[in-house]
Amino acid sequence: KAGVTQTPRYLIKTRGQQVTLSCSPISGHRSVSWYQQTPGQGLQFLFEYFSETQRNKGNFPGRFSGRQFSNSRSEMNVSTLELGDSALYLCASSLGTNNEQFFGPGTRLTVL
Amino acid sequence: GIQVEQSPPDLILQEGANSTLRCNFSDSVNNLQWFHQNPWGQLINLFYIPSGTKQNGRLSATTVATERYSLLYISSSQTTDSGVYFCAVVGSQGNLIFGKGTKLSVKP
Repeated sequence: KAGVTQTPRYLIKTRGQQVTLSCSPISGHRSVSWYQQTPGQGLQFLFEYFSETQRNKGNFPGRFSGRQFSNSRSEMNVSTLELGDSALYLCASSLGTNNEQFFGPGTRLTVL
Repeated sequence: GIQVEQSPPDLILQEGANSTLRCNFSDSVNNLQWFHQNPWGQLINLFYIPSGTKQNGRLSATTVATERYSLLYISSSQTTDSGVYFCAVVGSQGNLIFGKGTKLSVKP
């Protein structure tokens, strides 16, 4: 089985712009979660989607949003980018809650 | 919410040495995973181990759920074992809660 894929792998944006990141889960997985990793805050949960519905959300501002499509692929969007949004964004897929999660290679976002 | 603490934060070993990484968590959990983050940032699954003991080659893990800790053992370490090791547990909302990691450096 192919693993979790994320595109793009690297992205450079300027403050105020918006960005969309994409994640394709492992075939058959219906849960997709997003995490942000920064040197200061470590790995933090953004949100989880299951069958096109957002089930859980972490403590991030409304500028961070996401969606899931009927084929389980997911996108996350960050609007009005700030310097502090520079981070590695990781996507994980699983069969469902409490099942093993598998991560993609990540998208490294730099905001200038 | 659940707190996850990993120790030690940094570990330097000579190639061939053994090591034990520890993960303590503050509440009962349904799921615990160990990951190795490679230099490019990807989290590689090592173990899915809510309880009990598992082994995979030179690596093994033990979770004692009743005492709220898990251990990751690395034997005969190699330079390719270098990187950051994360422990993560599932919180009440179903998301993974990560520790701050143990940075392992294996010297040739």
